[in-house]
Parts: sequence; structure tokens; C-alpha cells
Amino acid sequence: GAGVSQSPRYKVAKRGQDVALRCDPISGHVSLFWYQQALGQGPEFLTYFQNEAQLDKSGLPSDRFFAERPEGSVSTLKIQRTQQEDSAVYLCASSPRRGRLFFGSGTQLSVL
Amino acid sequence: DQQVKQNSPSLSVQEGRISILNCDYTNSMFDYFLWYKKYPAEGPTFLISISSIKDKNEDGRFTVFLNKSAKHLSLHIVPSQPGDSAVYFCAAPPGSGSARQLTFGSGTQLTVLP
Repeated sequence: GAGVSQSPRYKVAKRGQDVALRCDPISGHVSLFWYQQALGQGPEFLTYFQNEAQLDKSGLPSDRFFAERPEGSVSTLKIQRTQQEDSAVYLCASSPRRGRLFFGSGTQLSVL
Repeated sequence: DQQVKQNSPSLSVQEGRISILNCDYTNSMFDYFLWYKKYPAEGPTFLISISSIKDKNEDGRFTVFLNKSAKHLSLHIVPSQPGDSAVYFCAAPPGSGSARQLTFGSGTQLTVLP
């Protein structure tokens, strides 16, 4: 596709529910990043993939957060047993190996 | 520990005037800086960057200035246009050789009044 595509655009979850957020990067982009943006804050790094390898997951806030990119293209960010503090916009970005980041429009997660 | 700080959450400017957005950083290892622009319901888009070997980079109406001794950078937009109204983030990657996970500031909401 022309850009980074994320789905769903909005997600409302009840506390304790599991959610899965999808990211379709720009075709051919080797690197894929997940960021979390809380209201009124800048994006904060969660995790980074190069192809299918997850090279850095230091930003994941807890073991309830899990990300995968099994075939080096589409990625899924899964949050188990969601909590209210997980409410945020989750942004995915992709880039060529050493290029600039291109962001998707994000998934806005609201945990009630 | 906020390594990239934008201390002004908002700025209003009249159309045609100059907008100056500021950013401070604490990590002396940062050697490259970027500005991103974000409209509501969209992801951030790259605007302009500067390497630490320069003190100025210009692209059309946008100029970024870097003061390494003060660990300060600023984005100048002149003349400002209503379409420039957006949230502006400054960001920096870790030192060279690392993956490009960016550290972002908290953003400044720019409103350009017609």
C-alpha cells in the first residue's frame, strides 16, 4: 500500500479483555516500530523489529504486552488483560533499513 | 527522565508572522534531530532534520537551528500559514549505529490564526 496501515482505527475494551492491534507496513520496509502515545504526550518507544526479528523490546511496559512480526511484514501488538492505564494511541512506523520513519494513523485504545 | 523536552504545550501566532518552536535535550550523545508534524487523527509526518555538524538547516518556510552548547534547538516557520496548525514534536535517535527508535518531546500545539 501507499502508507503504513493500522487497524482497527478505534478499539474500546473492557478492563481485563485481551486486544490485538494490527500494522501493515510500507512494502519492502525492513524496520518496524511500535510506539505508545498517551494523551498530551509524545510517542514513546515500545518495540522494534528488523524483518521478523524483534531486536529491542525494552519499551514494553509489562509482560502483558507482546508483539510479533512472524513473516517480516505485518505486525501485531497484543495486550493481555487490559488495564485503564493502557488507554492510549498506539502508533506503528516502518522504515527502510537506515531511513526515516513513516507512521501510520494509529489505533486509539480506550479501556473502560 | 525526559531526554527531550518541549516546555511550551501551545503557541498561537497570527498568519504571516513567524512561529518559533523550542526544544531542549539533555543527552549529549544525541547527534541528529528531527521535527515531526502531527494533524489530529493522523500519524506524525517528518518535517525537517538537522545533524549536529550543522547549526542550521533550511527547507522552504521551515528552518531548524541547533545550539549544541546550550543543548537547544528551535524550529522557525515563516511566514506561518493556517495549514501549519498542528502539533509539532522534536525527536532524536540514540547515538549513531543504533536502531532508529526515536525519543520524542511532548509536543507543542501550534495554532495559526487567520
